[in-house]
Amino acid sequence: GDSVTQMEGPVTLSEEAFLTINCTYTATGYPSLFWYVQYPGEGLQLLLKATKADDKGSNKGFEATYRKETTSFHLEKGSVQVSDSAVYFCALSDGMTALIFGKGTTLSVSS
Amino acid sequence: GAGVSQSPSNKVTEKGKDVELRCDPISGHTALYWYRQSLGQGLEFLIYFQGNSAPDKSGLPSDRFSAERTGGSVSTLTIQRTQQEDSAVYLCASSLEREVSEAFFGQGTRLTVV
Repeated sequence: GDSVTQMEGPVTLSEEAFLTINCTYTATGYPSLFWYVQYPGEGLQLLLKATKADDKGSNKGFEATYRKETTSFHLEKGSVQVSDSAVYFCALSDGMTALIFGKGTTLSVSS
Repeated sequence: GAGVSQSPSNKVTEKGKDVELRCDPISGHTALYWYRQSLGQGLEFLIYFQGNSAPDKSGLPSDRFSAERTGGSVSTLTIQRTQQEDSAVYLCASSLEREVSEAFFGQGTRLTVV
């Protein structure tokens, strides 16, 4: 079945460092891809999404590009802030069933 | 309410007891989902309700787990004869129809089975 694999954490960075969190997927069709974020003490919330190949999702300085050829959707940010510390989840959906999530990557940013 | 509300926020129960977890979705959202979040295991899909259609129960891990949704709104997840491996955070989400990408999550119920 469909699945999502993302890099294990924790990822520890200094403020203003460059961030990459890798995500690859396996799917029989052409799913939509998402990044969700879970800030400490808060519920999951959608960060960005892309619905077709070569689409780029972006929000709050984060970006991810839907790469069909490498079945990837890596999350990037050019300059992280302490407030970006959270758990990040890559996910996919074929539109017919519920979201399938990766295991999550914990990001810790220090000042 | 303004968001998805789950209760209780924390639940400690003895092994073998039954528990009920409640989810109040956002008003007007026809789709409702339950997930389980375990340490190191990510988010595991449990069950999906969509309007009046039969629910997708394919993620329920055993017949000890069941869920219902009354009147197309509030949902209750029931775990019978709880086991220690049931300890996890149970998350509920709701969305408009099949717009899965716009699912809004509650803060979850942390269940601890002792």
